[in-house]
Amino acid sequence: KNEVEQSPQNLTAQEGEFITINCSYSVGISALHWLQQHPGGGIVSLFMLSSGKKKHGRLIATINIQEKHSSLHITASHPRDSAVYICAVAAGDSGYALNFGKGTSLLVTP
Amino acid sequence: NAGVTQTPKFRVLKTGQSMTLLCAQDMNHEYMYWYRQDPGMGLRLIHYSVGEGTTAKGEVPDGYNVSRLKKQNFLLGLESAAPSQTSVYFCASSFEGGGTEAFFGQGTRLTVV
Repeated sequence: KNEVEQSPQNLTAQEGEFITINCSYSVGISALHWLQQHPGGGIVSLFMLSSGKKKHGRLIATINIQEKHSSLHITASHPRDSAVYICAVAAGDSGYALNFGKGTSLLVTP
Repeated sequence: NAGVTQTPKFRVLKTGQSMTLLCAQDMNHEYMYWYRQDPGMGLRLIHYSVGEGTTAKGEVPDGYNVSRLKKQNFLLGLESAAPSQTSVYFCASSFEGGGTEAFFGQGTRLTVV
């Protein structure tokens, strides 16, 4: 099984700060996903990456395949960004189901 | 376009009772998955399906059964609920597995007393 480690586990930031969440995994993958989960809510896909970098609004995701590492950046953070951010990687077995990290709980204060 | 819909959203069961969770998707996806989410742990795969009429076991299949009689529906059954099955259950679907975007349902919060 592909072990997925996220850091930090918890993060508190002030509104406007630049935020970075890291994800590392143990074996080669076909894709890496960043997901967002609001308290008591469902899970929403933010990005799917297999190489390079993607940007959507204030969110940027990067991946380094050689280092087996990905980062999620949030620029100009806002209280509505408060959520759990989950990194997941696509395994080659189990129907390409995702292996999930434990998540990073982000709180952005005004 | 509803995406992935799970029913019910909440349920309380007594130990030994049975129930079925329904997942429906309207995106014509081949791949469907059932995961459980427990505090302090990442989501874990229970069962999955790579097409109509197919199912397979995931990481934590014991105590659960599934069926995929129609492409759009993936059912998760608990035949005899146990307190250890208290969890939040998520259904997900994708067009071609983990290399394509995953769509998740809103989750079902199940408590077994």
